[in-house]
Amino acid sequence: EVQLVESGGGLVQPGRSLRLSCAASGFTFDDCAMHWVRQAPGKGLEWVSGIDWNGGSIGYADSVKGRFIISRDNAKNSLYLQMNSLRAEDTALYYCAKDKRNQGLFDYWGQGTLVTVSS
Amino acid sequence: DIQMTQSPSSVSASVGDRVTITCRASQGIGNWLAWYQHKPGKAPRLLIYAASSLQSGVPSRFSGSRSGTDFTLTISSLQPEDFATYYCQQANSFPRTFGQGTKVEIK
Repeated sequence: EVQLVESGGGLVQPGRSLRLSCAASGFTFDDCAMHWVRQAPGKGLEWVSGIDWNGGSIGYADSVKGRFIISRDNAKNSLYLQMNSLRAEDTALYYCAKDKRNQGLFDYWGQGTLVTVSS
Repeated sequence: DIQMTQSPSSVSASVGDRVTITCRASQGIGNWLAWYQHKPGKAPRLLIYAASSLQSGVPSRFSGSRSGTDFTLTISSLQPEDFATYYCQQANSFPRTFGQGTKVEIK
């Protein structure tokens, strides 16, 4: 059974940093691209970042480019999102999502970890 | 960036109704389109990929189609468990983009 478990969310002040983690199991992690998708309160889904199987290809939404860094550790079956210079508008539930056969769409999702940016 | 314009933003329907949701891409994306169902407090669920392919385990009352840059999700006979918000997403290029969402509500 595919499982994706996010952690690392919490309350953080504007301008500070936070690192999210996603622990994956139930599939061959190093065969799959992975993504972060977020949902701000009362808003729709927003793709944040994606990484291919070995980190050779990475993409970011314009809203986080230059502030967020996605990475992965295939030996630990883990995905990460380093979030720097956080802003109030980064407040959201952050989902980790598995890419379906590297097609750029998401066939399994975690339950999400909540990030709140506030002073 | 490719913009995905989804309509309507909400629809009120009854159990048994046929519901259609549309998504228009700002430029050509081929068949690189997915549809998701999202319920409050749950993870989003992939329904349709490649514009019209049904994800494993998804009921056959869900279907997808494409005409040029216009894509449609159809629920042929709405069931109680289908009340949710639905999103389209283009998988053609970075950045991946979602439509604004369509909330399907009980009439």
